[in-house]
Amino acid sequence: KQEVTQIPAALSVPEGENLVLNCSFTDSAIYNLQWFRQDPGKGLTSLLLIQSSQREQTSGRLNASLDKSSGRSTLYIAASQPGDSATYLCAVSPNTGTASKLTFGTGTRLQVTL
Amino acid sequence: NAGVTQTPKFRVLKTGQSMTLLCAQDMNHEYMYWYRQDPGMGLRLIHYSVGEGTTAKGEVPDGYNVSRLKKQNFLLGLESAAPSQTSVYFCASTLRSRARQGSGELFFGEGSRLTVL
Repeated sequence: KQEVTQIPAALSVPEGENLVLNCSFTDSAIYNLQWFRQDPGKGLTSLLLIQSSQREQTSGRLNASLDKSSGRSTLYIAASQPGDSATYLCAVSPNTGTASKLTFGTGTRLQVTL
Repeated sequence: NAGVTQTPKFRVLKTGQSMTLLCAQDMNHEYMYWYRQDPGMGLRLIHYSVGEGTTAKGEVPDGYNVSRLKKQNFLLGLESAAPSQTSVYFCASTLRSRARQGSGELFFGEGSRLTVL
């Protein structure tokens, strides 16, 4: 059974710092890995999606990398801002079946302080 | 463009009552999912559908039923609510299956917060 772990569970950084969020998964037979952002009381917003054949994806100040062989992904946030404060979740989709059934980590709660 | 819409957003039930959560998407997505989110446990898949008229069980299906009579709607039902079903429920959808070379990117609704007393 796939297990997804995110460390740390919570992180507080001052504005302007670059930071890295970690995601690890136990079964490397994945189809894709997605990073989501969740604001309090809200749904999940997709940030980046990395296909299993890719090594990284970038969107603005966000860069996500994938090392399938070691079962790891990182989300790099450059020049953090208070508006980046949210919970960040990673999820993997298995490389079997067709239904994109994601397994989620429990998230990293990020607070960016002024 | 509304995306994925869930109703109701909040509901309080007594043990044994029944209710239905509605998920509607206007993106012509084939695949739809119901997840529940509980503190410390992440999101867990309840049921999913790969197309109109089809449903399948996910990781935690017991106590729930679903229907997909129309492509744009996916209903989640609780026949006899229990306190263990107190949770936040999320609906999600995606355009295509992997077999059809879809990316698999999921789009989520805002969530429905259910409390069972």
